[in-house]
Amino acid sequence: AQSVTQLGSHVSVSEGALVLLRCNYSSSVPPYLFWYVQYPNQGLQLLLKYTSAATLVKGINGFEAEFKKSETSFHLTKPSAHMSDAAEYFCAVTFSGSARQLTFGSGTQLTVLP
Amino acid sequence: GAGVSQSPRYKVAKRGQDVALRCDPISGHVSLFWYQQALGQGPEFLTYFQNEAQLDKSGLPSDRFFAERPEGSVSTLKIQRTQQEDSAVYLCASRLRDHSFTDTQYFGPGTRLTVL
Repeated sequence: AQSVTQLGSHVSVSEGALVLLRCNYSSSVPPYLFWYVQYPNQGLQLLLKYTSAATLVKGINGFEAEFKKSETSFHLTKPSAHMSDAAEYFCAVTFSGSARQLTFGSGTQLTVLP
Repeated sequence: GAGVSQSPRYKVAKRGQDVALRCDPISGHVSLFWYQQALGQGPEFLTYFQNEAQLDKSGLPSDRFFAERPEGSVSTLKIQRTQQEDSAVYLCASRLRDHSFTDTQYFGPGTRLTVL
């Protein structure tokens, strides 16, 4: 069965510092991978997605992620954190053999310190 | 254009009551999903519609949960005889095409259900 694991339920960084949120996946077939962000009392917003084209994917708000098959990882990064990046981030996976739904990780709460 | 909307945004129910949660997807979107998000967890899949057809309901936790999308647009998730463990945020998402796993799922703001 496919799954994703997000290491670190809480991550704190200083404003201007590198943001690194970890996601590892488990799938027996090629996966499609997504990062979503959730602000308080709001729905999920897509940051970026990997669809088997380029392994380095650039998303909105300066975020990017790199698909590494050998490491079964899809970590999310941003060079310089901004206060407005404070939110919860979810990694999700689907694959062509699935019933089309997303399988989410448990989320990482990002805190940005001034 | 309007995104996915859900109503009500908040619902408080006494244990044993029935509730109905509404989802208005983006106009023209073929696929519609319902997810349940417990406190501190990621969303979990409940059910999926292709137009008016419910193609997958494997995630519904019990037969107290029922979903419909009779005209292939608005969808309603109904929970009968609510229990405290049903307390969660219920998220609706829509996607333009059916046979595309890479199309973006657009999420609504969710309905927060609290069962007392």
